[in-house]
Amino acid sequence: AIQMTQSPSSLSASVGDRVTISCRASQGIRNDLGWYQQKPGKAPKLLIYAASSLQSGVPSRFSGSGSGTDFTLTISSLQPEDFATYYCLQDYKYPWTFGQGTKVEIK
Amino acid sequence: EVQLLESGADLVHPGGSLRLSCAASGFTFSTYAMTWVRQAPGQGLEWVSLIGSGGDNTYYADSVKGRFTISRDNSKNTLYLQMNSLRVEDTAVYYCAKERYGSGQIDSWGQGTLVTVSS
Repeated sequence: AIQMTQSPSSLSASVGDRVTISCRASQGIRNDLGWYQQKPGKAPKLLIYAASSLQSGVPSRFSGSGSGTDFTLTISSLQPEDFATYYCLQDYKYPWTFGQGTKVEIK
Repeated sequence: EVQLLESGADLVHPGGSLRLSCAASGFTFSTYAMTWVRQAPGQGLEWVSLIGSGGDNTYYADSVKGRFTISRDNSKNTLYLQMNSLRVEDTAVYYCAKERYGSGQIDSWGQGTLVTVSS
């Protein structure tokens, strides 16, 4: 199975900060990657699909980039509602695999 | 509005079986692949299984292959997950989810249902 490695595992940031989260695949996955946000006790929410396409209804401060093995989720100006855990998911090959998650906490 | 409502969760002993159901509404169920994702308490997300729109193609995580079976009834707009030979490590919230059409990924999720495997 393709391994997805996220970094960092957690980070502390302030409102207004620019935040970047990385996801590395153990083999090339083209751009078959998505990013999800999950808040405690809630189902995940799709933010980005196809590595860089913004899901409908998601604020434009979220953006994604990368292809092949290295991907990045960027939040351009962190808002209070963005404190959550973020996951990447590859859908290039079965079994699909998630990264281990990155928890974004208030500084 | 897409709605996915899971049911069937329970407390079960190791080695036991359970079937989860997911009733779908608000979209044309028969045209979308569907998937199950789980999350153990305090842990990250784990993709479990996917079934194609027609039900012919199924895929599984290595951790559940041979023990779990995904299926669907398009006439009832319902997705299923038959779980056999359950282990303590299968304890998790199980989410029913809908694939985003044409691009993989998951664009809609149920609220999740907790399966507990314990002696």
